[in-house]
Amino acid sequence: SQQGEEDPQALSIQEGENATMNCSYKTSINNLQWYRQNSGRGLVHLILIRSNEREKHSGRLRVTLDTSKKSSSLLITASRAADTASYFCATDAEGNNRLAFGKGNQVVVIP
Amino acid sequence: DGGITQSPKYLFRKEGQNVTLSCEQNLNHDAMYWYRQDPGQGLRLIYYSQIVNDFQKGDIAEGYSVSREKKESFPLTVTSAQKNPTAFYLCASTRGIGNHETQYFGPGTRLLVL
Repeated sequence: SQQGEEDPQALSIQEGENATMNCSYKTSINNLQWYRQNSGRGLVHLILIRSNEREKHSGRLRVTLDTSKKSSSLLITASRAADTASYFCATDAEGNNRLAFGKGNQVVVIP
Repeated sequence: DGGITQSPKYLFRKEGQNVTLSCEQNLNHDAMYWYRQDPGQGLRLIYYSQIVNDFQKGDIAEGYSVSREKKESFPLTVTSAQKNPTAFYLCASTRGIGNHETQYFGPGTRLLVL
């Protein structure tokens, strides 16, 4: 079953703007991860945030987690054309040492 | 895509045919995973293996089979029982066992039905 649900599904922005995408989940989690997928390629891990963390940064990425609302957001600041990709959240809500991936957000950065 | 490889990049299957997708990793990772990706549906787990000679079904195991005879290899067979096999197949591995682990993905195999 898919625990993560990203919203919105598709986003088109100008280079230099910020991109924000959201992920919601249904059950309690220990951690949440974000991955990026370039078209036709495998996924690449971006960041992991634990349930006791509210915000985490990595370069131009900022992830927030609100466990009371069961939601997370990924912010990409000062976007670049190379940020054009699909972004997936994944939670550990399934247990059994496996992740549940959301449906993904497609982000297009226009040069 | 790290030290995990998948082959072939494209695979064509005839009706009634079994085909095998290769996944190899040189990362010395314990666990390996197979996902199916369809447009607009994200990743769905087919099978996963936490240790050699052991594997578990995921959410959509019907019509698929796997083996884990070696730590570095986790091939996926798409059998003739899988009636809608056209999809992008992704293999992944994790260093240890646990859903806090980072998953490292291969470049994927696109399976098409003739």
